[in-house]
Amino acid sequence: KAGVTQTPRYLIKTRGQQVTLSCSPISGHRSVSWYQQTPGQGLQFLFEYFSETQRNKGNFPGRFSGRQFSNSRSEMNVSTLELGDSALYLCASSDGGLAGSTDTQYFGPGTRLTVL
Amino acid sequence: QKEVEQNSGPLSVPEGAIASLNCTYSDRGSQSFFWYRQYSGKSPELIMSIYSNGDKEDGRFTAQLNKASQYVSLLIRDSQPSDSATYLCAVIDSSYKLIFGSGTRLLVRP
Repeated sequence: KAGVTQTPRYLIKTRGQQVTLSCSPISGHRSVSWYQQTPGQGLQFLFEYFSETQRNKGNFPGRFSGRQFSNSRSEMNVSTLELGDSALYLCASSDGGLAGSTDTQYFGPGTRLTVL
Repeated sequence: QKEVEQNSGPLSVPEGAIASLNCTYSDRGSQSFFWYRQYSGKSPELIMSIYSNGDKEDGRFTAQLNKASQYVSLLIRDSQPSDSATYLCAVIDSSYKLIFGSGTRLLVRP
């Protein structure tokens, strides 16, 4: 099976712009979770989508949003970018997702976002 | 207090030694526990998962879980230079979020 893919791999934006990141899960996986990784805060949970519904959300402002399509592909959007949004954005997929599941989370390669 | 705590290291061990990595968590309702390895510039990859108290072995890796003490550990036997990486402890907490520790950097000296 192909792994989790993320596009684009690198992105440079300026403050105030918005950005959309894409994640394609492993075939058959219904859950996609998004994470932000920074040197200062580490890996932080953004949200989880399961069967097109947001099932859980971390402690991020409303500028961070996402959605999932019927084919399980997911997009994450960040509006009004701030310098502090510079980070590696990772998505992970699994079949059953996080809710009470023992499924393995498989991570994609990430999108490196730089905000200037 | 962070939900998942790890010593940031670096933990330096000689080749062939046992590396011991530790993690504590604060949410008593947590049920699933994971160790991920992350090489510099790469995404995390799962090494071990553990769900019940005790030890779980997979090759050179042993995960240990003590829910009463809210403690998870990872032992790496016969450490190799290729094991040098950051090891992330992660926990699915009672609200079904996957929470990561800040990671322990392991250096295996040849």
